[in-house]
Amino acid sequence: DAGVTQSPTHLIKTRGQQVTLRCSPISGHKSVSWYQQVLGQGPQFIFQYYEKEERGRGNFPDRFSARQFPNYSSELNVNALLLGDSALYLCASSFPGQQETQYFGPGTRLLVL
Amino acid sequence: GIQVEQSPPDLILQEGANSTLRCNFSDSVNNLQWFHQNPWGQLINLFYIPSGTKQNGRLSATTVATERYSLLYISSSQTTDSGVYFCAPPKDNQGGKLIFGQGTELSVKP
Repeated sequence: DAGVTQSPTHLIKTRGQQVTLRCSPISGHKSVSWYQQVLGQGPQFIFQYYEKEERGRGNFPDRFSARQFPNYSSELNVNALLLGDSALYLCASSFPGQQETQYFGPGTRLLVL
Repeated sequence: GIQVEQSPPDLILQEGANSTLRCNFSDSVNNLQWFHQNPWGQLINLFYIPSGTKQNGRLSATTVATERYSLLYISSSQTTDSGVYFCAPPKDNQGGKLIFGQGTELSVKP
């Protein structure tokens, strides 16, 4: 079975631009979560979506938004990019339940110049 | 919210050595995952272990939820074990919102 997939793998943008990152969950998984990992730190939770509804949001500004589609894939949008948004963006999928195990995709590396 | 501390922050081993990585968390948890992040950034699931002990080959993990810590044991380490190890309980005990520690960076030398 295919794992979580993300696109693109790498991206270079300039300050002030907007970016859209994409994620396809494992087949059968209905929940998608997004994380930001800056160099040298652990991933930080940004959003969780389940059945197209936002289930939670981390401590990120409103420049960050996301959505989930009927096929459970998801997009993360970041507006007005700052240099500090340079990071590895990770998507994880899971099947909500008592033993909710997160499975991560390979990530998108975003560099903001 | 829950705080996660991992120790040691860095660890250098010779191939074949054993090691223990520790994860302390500030609140009770109903879920905890251990991950290995390889040099390419991929987070690989090692264990889902809210309590008790699990083993998978050379790796095993123990979580003592009442004392708020988890341990990851690596035996007979190999160079491919190099990378960063993270533990991650869920935020507010709600699945899908993992809180990561700073990780333990392991380097295994041949």
